[in-house]
Amino acid sequence: GAGVSQSPSNKVTEKGKDVELRCDPISGHTALYWYRQSLGQGLEFLIYFQGNSAPDKSGLPSDRFSAERTGGSVSTLTIQRTQQEDSAVYLCASSLAGKSTGELFFGEGSRLTVL
Amino acid sequence: SQKIEQNSEALNIQEGKTATLTCNYTNYSPAYLQWYRQDPGRGPVFLLLIRENEKEKRKERLKVTFDTTLKQSLFHITASQPADSATYLCALRNEKLTFGTGTRLTIIP
Repeated sequence: GAGVSQSPSNKVTEKGKDVELRCDPISGHTALYWYRQSLGQGLEFLIYFQGNSAPDKSGLPSDRFSAERTGGSVSTLTIQRTQQEDSAVYLCASSLAGKSTGELFFGEGSRLTVL
Repeated sequence: SQKIEQNSEALNIQEGKTATLTCNYTNYSPAYLQWYRQDPGRGPVFLLLIRENEKEKRKERLKVTFDTTLKQSLFHITASQPADSATYLCALRNEKLTFGTGTRLTIIP
């Protein structure tokens, strides 16, 4: 597609349920990021995939959070046993590795509400 | 610890004036610094990049400066317009791209 695609755009779930958020990056982009943005806050880094390298998971807030990237393309962020504090907008971004600017292209985000 | 601070959580500027936003960082040695614009309900959009060996970069009405001694970047919008109202984020690149908290800019007609 023309841009980074995220789904679902909105997700309401009950506390304790698992959720999966999907990101489809721009074709050919080998770098992929997940960020979290709570209401009125900045972007909190979660995880970074770069090609076939081991992902940088240093931003994942707990072991309830995990992410994978299959075939170097689509990525799924999974949150297990959701808590109310997980409510936020989850943003995915991709970029061309090796491109000197490292400009990130963001999706529109998945808004998660945990009741 | 590493920190990126954008002072002025919110900034109101009269239309036509120059808006100046600040990004300060500590305990980073970034290869470059980027500025993004974010509108409500949307993902951030890249505006400008400035490298550690560059002092200033311009693009249309935008100007960015980068002082690695002061550990500060300034982002200027000249001849500001109401359409420039948005949240502006700075981001630093080490191994990964880390964002500041953003400044919400409102241009008042």
